[in-house]
This record gives sequence, structure tokens and C-alpha cells, in this order.
Amino acid sequence: DQQVKQNSPSLSVQEGRISILNCDYTNSMFDYFLWYKKYPAEGPTFLISISSIKDKNEDGRFTVFLNKSAKHLSLHIVPSQPGDSAVYFCAAGGKAAGNKLTFGGGTRVLVKP
Amino acid sequence: DADVTQTPRNRITKTGKRIMLECSQTKGHDRMYWYRQDPGLGLRLIYYSFDVKDINKGEISDGYSVSRQAQAKFSLSLESAIPNQTALYFCATSDALAGGIYEQYFGPGTRLTVT
Repeated sequence: DQQVKQNSPSLSVQEGRISILNCDYTNSMFDYFLWYKKYPAEGPTFLISISSIKDKNEDGRFTVFLNKSAKHLSLHIVPSQPGDSAVYFCAAGGKAAGNKLTFGGGTRVLVKP
Repeated sequence: DADVTQTPRNRITKTGKRIMLECSQTKGHDRMYWYRQDPGLGLRLIYYSFDVKDINKGEISDGYSVSRQAQAKFSLSLESAIPNQTALYFCATSDALAGGIYEQYFGPGTRLTVT
């Protein structure tokens, strides 16, 4: 059973518009969530994180929203740029899980010029 | 220079062969991990190590073994490779950010094909 799910395998968006990536989780013991970005032939790189005690974290064009009651988080990219075309993974971790990360299946984003 | 390096970057091997993937890091982190990535399944944890004397199985450890030779080195072995071990393999290290969030830093990956 996947504890972290990204139900949209792909997303296409026009340059300048907003990209919204969604992630659902089942384990209420997770303490924090992270988003990673992955380009082809490279390892994933950290993008942004959020603690479970917050409902929003913003870093430049990237904002992560957390809805604990719904066990749902989302990543907003505004405005989207062609260089944002990549695969995005959400991940969840916490002390109860030994601070290991559980990853979702990824969403491939294509930003069209 | 990259903080987390993996060798080889690409490898093609035959069924039944033994193969070792190596990972080195210069970040000084105690925690190291091995993942495999398959399309649609994200990153799944194979093994992890929280220090040199600590080795733990992840969710998909069958058919794999690891060795933590030093704080900076963590290798993954496939004793007898099989085709369904064809995947992208990533090594990672981790350290705590402010607020106790453990970010992981990934190597560039090894693409392994078992024929």
C-alpha cells in the first residue's frame, strides 16, 4: 500500500501560468513533507519543505500548502518557466519513521513556451 | 566537485552475474541510503545506514546487500542479478535541517540493465 501518492502522472502548462502538483498521504504520523525536482540523467534535488505544524511555506515562485485534515499537500509554481519542466516527487518523513522519507510516484511537468 | 558520487553511471550485465554499485560522499553525513526508481513507483528504499555500524533493510531489500565501508562510502550489491532489477539506482545522504526536517541529498544515479 502506497503511503504517499501522486495521482497525476503528468501535467502540461503554458509558460507564465500556474502549475499545481498534488500529493496525498495516508499516515498521520508524518511530521514533515518535502518536494524534490528531478531532471533526466540527474539525481533528485530538494526544492521546498513544510513542517506538519504549518499550512503554508513559500520560497520564491514555489509555495507548498498542507491540509492535514485532508492528508493532502500541493505545490504551486507561479509563474511556470520552461526550466521547470522536470519530474517532481513529494516525500514524507517523521520521527516515528526514523526520519526516513517515503516518496510518491512522481509527476512529470512540461512547461510549454 | 559533486558531494555525492556514484559509480558506475551506466551498467549492462547478464542474468546471474554479481554486480556492485558504489557511492561516496563528501558531505560528512552519517546517514546514507540506497533507492531504486521505477516508472510510476517513485523512489523505493532498498537499504539504509545511520552510521558505520548500523545497516537496516528498507521496503525492497530482497536480492540486494550493502556494505558501509566508512562514513563516506556505502556500496550496494546484487549477488545474482535478475532482469526485474533493471532500474535507476540512487544513493543519498541526509542531515537535519532547522526544525528537525531531514533533507536528503542524492547522487546522479546508476542506470542498471540486466539482460
